[in-house]
Amino acid sequence: SAVISQKPSRDICQRGTSLTIQCQVDSQVTMMFWYRQQPGQSLTLIATANQGSEATYESGFVIDKFPISRPNLTFSTLTVSNMSPEDSSIYLCSAAQNTGELFFGEGSRLTVL
Amino acid sequence: GQQLNQSPQSMFIQEGEDVSMNCTSSSIFNTWLWYKQDPGEGPVLLIALYKAGELTSNGRLTAQFGITRKDSFLNISASIPSDVGIYFCAGRNSGGGADGLTFGKGTHLIIQP
Repeated sequence: SAVISQKPSRDICQRGTSLTIQCQVDSQVTMMFWYRQQPGQSLTLIATANQGSEATYESGFVIDKFPISRPNLTFSTLTVSNMSPEDSSIYLCSAAQNTGELFFGEGSRLTVL
Repeated sequence: GQQLNQSPQSMFIQEGEDVSMNCTSSSIFNTWLWYKQDPGEGPVLLIALYKAGELTSNGRLTAQFGITRKDSFLNISASIPSDVGIYFCAGRNSGGGADGLTFGKGTHLIIQP
């Protein structure tokens, strides 16, 4: 299995600001993803982080709001831009190996005031 | 989009009881994954299933990939307090999102001593 570290683990942010979440995997993985989990809800895929190229976004998510980088096979960042209270959520980094199993980081809990 | 129906939504049981939860889908999946999420943590992979009819155990946990490929169940035997948490099923097929994973809405397991 892959060990995934995220930071920050939590933050309280002001409306209109942006926050970048970092994700580090302890081994090379084939794919990395970012999910959002709103309070009491299930997981929703935001985008696939592609190494060295633009991320692939799911319907309802756009690059201007959630820019993503993946400079190498083991590291990715997600930025939540121009935050509003509706962006208060847990943001989860995940990674998949060739087996198809998907592993998750511990999540970054954002509260936007 | 695809939908996964996970039930029950919540369970209140006595310590020592067996637990059963399931997921059904209108679509055929080629992979089923079961996760557990503790408060403030990311989801942790419990069991992965890759073949229709497959029955896999992980300690007190047993999961099966339904022969129709449209359902899966997870059983927990002799529940203990640390089993408390939210359990998510997730399915993958070629018609899904970037990673093909669709998540159920979760089963919240509460154990009364």
